[in-house]
Amino acid sequence: SAVISQKPSRDICQRGTSLTIQCQVDSQVTMMFWYRQQPGQSLTLIATANQGSEATYESGFVIDKFPISRPNLTFSTLTVSNMSPEDSSIYLCSVLLLSGRASDTQYFGPGTRLTVL
Amino acid sequence: AQSVTQLGSHVSVSEGALVLLRCNYSSSVPPYLFWYVQYPNQGLQLLLKYTTGATLVKGINGFEAEFKKSETSFHLTKPSAHMSDAAEYFCAVSEDDYKLSFGAGTTVTVRA
Repeated sequence: SAVISQKPSRDICQRGTSLTIQCQVDSQVTMMFWYRQQPGQSLTLIATANQGSEATYESGFVIDKFPISRPNLTFSTLTVSNMSPEDSSIYLCSVLLLSGRASDTQYFGPGTRLTVL
Repeated sequence: AQSVTQLGSHVSVSEGALVLLRCNYSSSVPPYLFWYVQYPNQGLQLLLKYTTGATLVKGINGFEAEFKKSETSFHLTKPSAHMSDAAEYFCAVSEDDYKLSFGAGTTVTVRA
């Protein structure tokens, strides 16, 4: 398994500002993902964070709004830019361990609860 | 592309009663199937998963699920509900690209 921490755990932000969320894993992992969980809804994949290259975004998500970095195999950041109240969500990172098979388990961080006023 | 349908957004059971959460999927290839649980104000925890082999999968906390290819289903059950089972449950599917597609979730409440 993997132990995943996220910072901050929650934040309240003003519209038009940006927030960077950090995801730290206690071991090297093959893949890292960022998900969004809007209030009362399920999880939606935002992007795959690629180590040393640009993230791969899902339909409906763009780099200008959600820039992602992954400088090494244990750390990634997601920035929510120019925030609006519609960005109020829980943001979760998840990881796949080094065997990299699709059947491997994704482990999830505790999430960052963001409220935009 | 894969997708997941969870029937029933809310399930209420009595303590000690059977818990049954329904999940149907669509996938163009043999899928990998997962059930996750989310307790209030916490992240997701894996309950169980199906990859290949035995179609009846046992997970943590007394939960199990059966993969039925002919019915494209992966329903989650627990014979006897406990108060601590109150949470939100998500069914998820992935294909070869590691990305998880989640169902809408089912909230379970347990009555004393």
